[in-house]
Amino acid sequence: TQLLEQSPQFLSIQEGENLTVYCNSSSVFSSLQWYRQEPGEGPVLLVTVVTGGEVKKLKRLTFQFGDARKDSSLHITAAQPGDTGLYLCAGAPSGGGADGLTFGKGTHLIIQP
Amino acid sequence: KAGVTQTPRYLIKTRGQQVTLSCSPISGHRSVSWYQQTPGQGLQFLFEYFSETQRNKGNFPGRFSGRQFSNSRSEMNVSTLELGDSALYLCASSRDGDTEAFFGQGTRLTVV
Repeated sequence: TQLLEQSPQFLSIQEGENLTVYCNSSSVFSSLQWYRQEPGEGPVLLVTVVTGGEVKKLKRLTFQFGDARKDSSLHITAAQPGDTGLYLCAGAPSGGGADGLTFGKGTHLIIQP
Repeated sequence: KAGVTQTPRYLIKTRGQQVTLSCSPISGHRSVSWYQQTPGQGLQFLFEYFSETQRNKGNFPGRFSGRQFSNSRSEMNVSTLELGDSALYLCASSRDGDTEAFFGQGTRLTVV
């Protein structure tokens, strides 16, 4: 069974601060995705990283895939209240598999004005 | 392009009853997956359907079942409901061969 561990579970910071969320596993994934979910809504895909060492930027968000494709990080620069939400990482099984996407339990992020 | 549509948004059921949830994928997407989300366990994979066939299945009891129709719409059924089945049930559609999932708003099921 593949597991993804996210840290921290909860994070509350002031507007303008920077933060990093981590997603770690002992398993190799063919790709890793980051989603943001707001209360009462489904997760919304932010980015997919595929290649080990890959870095992708989405405005103030920077996503990195580990060289061994086992871990990923999400860095937010100058956080804003609109960044508040549940951030989920999800891994697609390497070499195919019958388990669908494996999700971490998420990081609850609150940005206070 | 319309997104993934799930109905109903909210349901309250009694223990022992059964429930059917519906999902209409994004037009052109033939893969539909279902997930259960709870505060304690997070998002857990239930099953995936492609071309009316169950292609993948998670580790859930047989009370959880699903099906897919020729127009790619999917339904999931939970029989003999238990209190622990209370959760947000999410449906996601994908293009064939693509792991990126596009989620609906979910159905919030409460079992009392």
